[in-house]
Amino acid sequence: SQQGEEDPQALSIQEGENATMNCSYKTSINNLQWYRQNSGRGLVHLILIRSNEREKHSGRLRVTLDTSKKSSSLLITASRAADTASYFCATDEDTNAGKSTFGDGTTLTVKP
Amino acid sequence: NAGVTQTPKFQVLKTGQSMTLQCAQDMNHNSMYWYRQDPGMGLRLIYYSASEGTTDKGEVPNGYNVSRLNKREFSLRLESAAPSQTSVYFCASREGRAPKPQHFGDGTRLSIL
Repeated sequence: SQQGEEDPQALSIQEGENATMNCSYKTSINNLQWYRQNSGRGLVHLILIRSNEREKHSGRLRVTLDTSKKSSSLLITASRAADTASYFCATDEDTNAGKSTFGDGTTLTVKP
Repeated sequence: NAGVTQTPKFQVLKTGQSMTLQCAQDMNHNSMYWYRQDPGMGLRLIYYSASEGTTDKGEVPNGYNVSRLNKREFSLRLESAAPSQTSVYFCASREGRAPKPQHFGDGTRLSIL
């Protein structure tokens, strides 16, 4: 079963609005990462948050992590049509290969 | 800098046929991964290779084999394709271990009739 589960499965907003996506996971983690996938393309890394961090920012992205609730959220502010994509959280195991477990993703549509 | 290159991009097979999906990375990464992505779902790990010469099973390895040919190349083989293996297959590489990010190819879209 997937370690990460995103909520909502799909989100549709107008350009300029903020988009919030949530990720829940089941076991203890070392890191949580967010990836973006444009239609027909591979995943692209967005941002990493470590288990000892509570919040991280990168441009219009804000990620929070609550290890007590085993959940993370990704906020995209002032969304643009180009932000239309699927967003996935991935949790990292502390092994040599660093296997990551991906959630099922949130599909974001930003209407111009 | 090409990153991760997957070939072919599309393939249609008949049940029982075999084929090999190719993946090459030019970033000198140690770790490489094969995932499958089914419609509306996230990625599931098929096999991974922590370094040249080593491979290990992931979450869904049945029906697949892999070869880490050298540091650059990691191939995925379907010996006898089944309709349940219709999916989009992604190869990824990572420099070392987590929390380094994974770098993905654009996928191979495989249909098995």
